[in-house]
Amino acid sequence: QVTLKESGPVLVKPTETLTLTCTVSGFSLTKARMGVSWIRQPPGKALEWLAHIFSNDEESYNTSLKSRLTISKDTSKSQVVLSMTNVDAVDTATYYCARIIGPSWDLLLDHWGQGTLVTVSS
Amino acid sequence: QLVLTQSPSASASLGASVKLTCTLSSGHSSYAIAWHQQQPEKGPRYLMKLNSDGSHTKGDGIPDRFSGSSSGAERYLTISSLQSEDEADYYCQTWATGIQVFGGGTKLTVL
Repeated sequence: QVTLKESGPVLVKPTETLTLTCTVSGFSLTKARMGVSWIRQPPGKALEWLAHIFSNDEESYNTSLKSRLTISKDTSKSQVVLSMTNVDAVDTATYYCARIIGPSWDLLLDHWGQGTLVTVSS
Repeated sequence: QLVLTQSPSASASLGASVKLTCTLSSGHSSYAIAWHQQQPEKGPRYLMKLNSDGSHTKGDGIPDRFSGSSSGAERYLTISSLQSEDEADYYCQTWATGIQVFGGGTKLTVL
């Protein structure tokens, strides 16, 4: 059974760095074609893709946020970490991680985590 | 630029059918998409991957009431025999090397 679970701070102050962790089970981050995406959803708004990483270390970022995002993985812990620098109130959102299966030009996003709500406020 | 366009809202009666549309931007009519459902106060759930030829691969446990079809740059999600739990937001998603894109979502109301 594939599961993904997001964890991280509930509240972050403006200008700080937000670090979120996605812990996966039921699949391996070392298996060919496997990967994880991060997606966010501001309250009442649509989904927005942020970044993804594959088992071969291929990384991609939303171009509008690329300068602020870093995605990485720790295969020994079955975790994918997303860091976002210099957060602002507009970054208040529910952050989801999801499993993707590559290749990147024909990927499949087939399992979602439950999401974690992050509020940016002083 | 790769963009997906969805109508903001749709409605249909309990037991009826509804067809939701996702439109690919110009030059991208051959792209596959995926449909995801988000029930109120829940996280999204993968429904299906839909190819340009209309073939589709559904997620585990997705009822037969959910089906997909394609025509040109349009990708459709048809839900038949509507049930109350089908009231949700429906998002389409597509991708290319190095990028993923979501549509703005359609809020489906079951009357």
